[in-house]
Amino acid sequence: EAQVTQNPRYLITVTGKKLTVTCSQNMNHEYMSWYRQDPGLGLRQIYYSMNVEVTDKGDVPEGYKVSRKEKRNFPLILESPSPNQTSLYFCASSLSGQGTYEQYFGPGTRLTVT
Amino acid sequence: AQSVTQLGSHVSVSEGALVLLRCNYSSSVPPYLFWYVQYPNQGLQLLLKYTTGATLVKGINGFEAEFKKSETSFHLTKPSAHMSDAAEYFCAVINSGGYQKVTFGIGTKLQVIP
Repeated sequence: EAQVTQNPRYLITVTGKKLTVTCSQNMNHEYMSWYRQDPGLGLRQIYYSMNVEVTDKGDVPEGYKVSRKEKRNFPLILESPSPNQTSLYFCASSLSGQGTYEQYFGPGTRLTVT
Repeated sequence: AQSVTQLGSHVSVSEGALVLLRCNYSSSVPPYLFWYVQYPNQGLQLLLKYTTGATLVKGINGFEAEFKKSETSFHLTKPSAHMSDAAEYFCAVINSGGYQKVTFGIGTKLQVIP
């Protein structure tokens, strides 16, 4: 089954404790992206990757890191989480080109930073 | 730069009534436009998209949208609302220039009243 998976689905942590949210897709998509969803703000793009070893900042990259060492994986790293990073996070992937561009979303990771 | 404006963060319609969700965009180059739907506690899934060609696009579940360049709009419609349409709807734009930075609107929560 074609899908985007994220782990963990729920995470409660404390300020300053490094964490990684994993994202994996099995569709051989070149493009992957991370978003955060906050009430009243919709989805905001954090980082995106056009292909292996190619990443770029979205609209809200501060406090986050990403890496793309393999095509299927795109982990999101919070090296020193703060309470304002409490949010619902989504990973997405898509083909890059061929006029498609529609994104396939993972189920979301709800992060609480206390 | 690109942006998306969704007018009305909450819309209520009666079952069987017309659904109209508004989306206006700005983009320095011809845009690719998308509508996604999010059911409670789920990720987003694509409803429909406009990239090139016919400006009236049909999507899943009876939804359609029309790209109007002169009005910079991409409003989502459905002739007759069903209870199962209750969800949050997001309009999104990608710059067709090739850089896949994606901008979402803040979302419109649709309530269907029996």
